[in-house]
Amino acid sequence: AQTVTQSQPEMSVQEAETVTLSCTYDTSENNYYLFWYKQPPSRQMILVIRQEAYKQQNATENRFSVNFQKAAKSFSLKISDSQLGDTAMYFCAFMPPSSNTGKLIFGQGTTLQVKP
Amino acid sequence: SQTIHQWPATLVQPVGSPLSLECTVEGTSNPNLYWYRQAAGRGLQLLFYSVGIGQISSEVPQNLSASRPQDRQFILSSKKLLLSDSGFYLCAWTRDRASPLHFGNGTRLTVT
Repeated sequence: AQTVTQSQPEMSVQEAETVTLSCTYDTSENNYYLFWYKQPPSRQMILVIRQEAYKQQNATENRFSVNFQKAAKSFSLKISDSQLGDTAMYFCAFMPPSSNTGKLIFGQGTTLQVKP
Repeated sequence: SQTIHQWPATLVQPVGSPLSLECTVEGTSNPNLYWYRQAAGRGLQLLFYSVGIGQISSEVPQNLSASRPQDRQFILSSKKLLLSDSGFYLCAWTRDRASPLHFGNGTRLTVT
């Protein structure tokens, strides 16, 4: 079965510092998509970043970047210059290539607290 | 641009009562549509998805059902709610499997 594991239920970081959230996944397939979503206290799900497995280059979106290690099946999210507005729950998600419906498999989430 | 609307935002219903949550998407045609449930602020569980009008796939057996009466409308229903149906329900859409999911604002359902 394809699974996504986020081993850090809660993390905290000081404002302006850098934090890395971990994610591992299990699949026997070769081409797939990976995502990080953010859920602030408003509970709206917001796409943070997206990675295509066939691309070796790590995706970057402003202060957010990923460290994609395909062989290790690891997909960590790095947040640089953390801001108070980054306080949220972060979900790692996996879309298998066999899914022609676009279904996502989500991890259990990591709650990030940015402290002033 | 595309937008997704989901309502109501909050709902308190007694056990045994019916349920109807509605979701509509604007600005696109033939989207893939999804209903997810999030319990206790943790991970999202896919309940139903639809790739076209009248086409519904269920991911887990449960007390709920879904329907897609129109191309951009997705409805989550129950004839008789259970306490265990309480949670946060999210509707989402995507254009195709290569595109990310876009979520509605969610419905917080409390069954009393």
